[in-house]
Amino acid sequence: ELKVEQNPLFLSMQEGKNYTIYCNYSTTSDRLYWYRQDPGKSLESLFVLLSNGAVKQEGRLMASLDTKARLSTLHITAAVHDLSATYFCAGIIQGAQKLVFGQGTRLTINP
Amino acid sequence: NAGVTQTPKFRVLKTGQSMTLLCAQDMNHEYMYWYRQDPGMGLRLIHYSVGEGTTAKGEVPDGYNVSRLKKQNFLLGLESAAPSQTSVYFCASSSSGRRNEQFFGPGTRLTVL
Repeated sequence: ELKVEQNPLFLSMQEGKNYTIYCNYSTTSDRLYWYRQDPGKSLESLFVLLSNGAVKQEGRLMASLDTKARLSTLHITAAVHDLSATYFCAGIIQGAQKLVFGQGTRLTINP
Repeated sequence: NAGVTQTPKFRVLKTGQSMTLLCAQDMNHEYMYWYRQDPGMGLRLIHYSVGEGTTAKGEVPDGYNVSRLKKQNFLLGLESAAPSQTSVYFCASSSSGRRNEQFFGPGTRLTVL
């Protein structure tokens, strides 16, 4: 059974700082997904990581995948207030095309 | 393209009432999914479908039924609503390729009194 755990679950940081959200998963998942959710809104796809060693970057966000360590990271560089949101990672159950989500990391960026 | 749409956006039910949530997608996706989101628990899969006429149980299927009579629509039914079904429900769809990126609808906020 695939389990996905994120840490931290809550993160408060100052603008301009760097930080990393970690996503660990319990069994083989050769793809990993990152989503963003603003309060009261739906989920928006950020990154799809399709293979070991994959790295994707969009603006101040960078995601990476290490399938051997069963770890994905979402790195925030020089945070700005607009990045305040809840971030979810999700692994996939192979052969079934079902995502399993982590609990989410609520990120608050203070001026 | 509208993407994934859901109706209704909000609903309040009394215990024991029934209702159907409708999800529609215009991306010609094969796969469709229903999730519920509760505080502190992320998203949990209720039921999903890998094609027209097929459905399968997810992680938390009890108390729900689904149907996929048309490729573009996926219906979620509550036959006898319970307060434990108070939640935000999201529908998603994806293509059948390896990328399997799921696109989400705006959500339905359901309260069961």
